[in-house]
Amino acid sequence: NAGVTQTPKFQVLKTGQSMTLQCAQDMNHEYMSWYRQDPGMGLRLIHYSVGAGITDQGEVPNGYNVSRSTTEDFPLRLLSAAPSQTSVYFCASKDRGIGELFFGEGSRLTVL
Amino acid sequence: TQLLEQSPQFLSIQEGENLTVYCNSSSVFSSLQWYRQEPGEGPVLLVTVVTGGEVKKLKRLTFQFGDARKDSSLHITAAQPGDTGLYLCAGEETSGSRLTFGEGTQLTVNP
Repeated sequence: NAGVTQTPKFQVLKTGQSMTLQCAQDMNHEYMSWYRQDPGMGLRLIHYSVGAGITDQGEVPNGYNVSRSTTEDFPLRLLSAAPSQTSVYFCASKDRGIGELFFGEGSRLTVL
Repeated sequence: TQLLEQSPQFLSIQEGENLTVYCNSSSVFSSLQWYRQEPGEGPVLLVTVVTGGEVKKLKRLTFQFGDARKDSSLHITAAQPGDTGLYLCAGEETSGSRLTFGEGTQLTVNP
């Protein structure tokens, strides 16, 4: 099983550029989420979704957009990248209710 | 300000020592999870605790959920170099809702 797949694994952007981080899961999980990880900050929730067509903001949503048109996919869009968005981004999914959160391998983004 | 506060943030010990990591909050959680993360990888679940006062053991790791479901601890007995990693606690305020993480504890066990 592929589990949670994130692309790209590495990306360098210039300030002001836009890009989309892709996330797909093949476990039919209803819940999907995006986190960013910075040194000493653990994982901070950006956006999450409890099902197709439903999204909500996490702790640090500014500068990021998401959509959930299908159960499988949950892309994260940066409309105008800023150096403060340099980070490692993780997509994660889980089944309904209390359960294990399955993570992708992460996407390392550098904004110059 | 993060919902969950972990302490200590860094811990460096010798092989064979015991240690405890704490995860505290002012909020009540319906469940709390502990994850371990290796460099370059995503976190992997160690345990989920649901009931106040619950204690779970995973080999040399003991996890406890506070009676009021606001805090948790992870105790490692006789730490080994293979225990080195980033330990993260994560709480779910209501069942099926978003999962928020603490800042993490970077554990290094020296041989």
